[in-house]
Amino acid sequence: AQKITQTQPGMFVQEKEAVTLDCTYDTSDPSYGLFWYKQPSSGEMIFLIYQGSYDQQNATEGRYSLNFQKARKSANLVISASQLGDSAMYFCAMREGNTGNQFYFGTGTSLTVIP
Amino acid sequence: EAGVVQSPRYKIIEKKQPVAFWCNPISGHNTLYWYRQNLGQGPELLIRYENEEAVDDSQLPKDRFSAERLKGVDSTLKIQPAELGDSAVYLCASRPRDSGRVNEQFFGPGTRLTVL
Repeated sequence: AQKITQTQPGMFVQEKEAVTLDCTYDTSDPSYGLFWYKQPSSGEMIFLIYQGSYDQQNATEGRYSLNFQKARKSANLVISASQLGDSAMYFCAMREGNTGNQFYFGTGTSLTVIP
Repeated sequence: EAGVVQSPRYKIIEKKQPVAFWCNPISGHNTLYWYRQNLGQGPELLIRYENEEAVDDSQLPKDRFSAERLKGVDSTLKIQPAELGDSAVYLCASRPRDSGRVNEQFFGPGTRLTVL
């Protein structure tokens, strides 16, 4: 079974609107971390936001927030007030265990912001 | 603080030729990762180093791929001979031993390999 599933190959959003990128995960470890990375056309993976499995509140970082639904094993990324520079690939990833060293990545979602 | 450095950024070779990629992690980061990212896919781990020791190389195709991390700092990933299916972006990432709660990886810009 896939550890991370991203079901949206591509998404479009109007500039200044909000968009949600879906991510579901699969693990039996009670301790894990969930990450979102942005990969622009330049290729570098940029860390956006983190959610720990024991965190009581949804993570927020500026215009990024994570809609964490533990029972459903989903960790959707919400980008508010989309900007043209948000156009990129977005990857959801998981690390099992508090100190685990292996990360599992999804297949990514290509986001295009339309002016 | 300088980020993860990779070179070259782009490489085009003919099949059956050898190729090598170099990675310089962030200073003080003891964990180093090599990933392969095929077009339209997420990164897939090839090998992970803890200092100079390769602790997870189960996904490394050992018949043609090799890697080393001498002195636990820089790392080199080699393919010999390259095949058409090796065309991909090769990403290097590093992480410090005690990076706090988040424990994220820091990625380099990648090397885009094209095998003709």
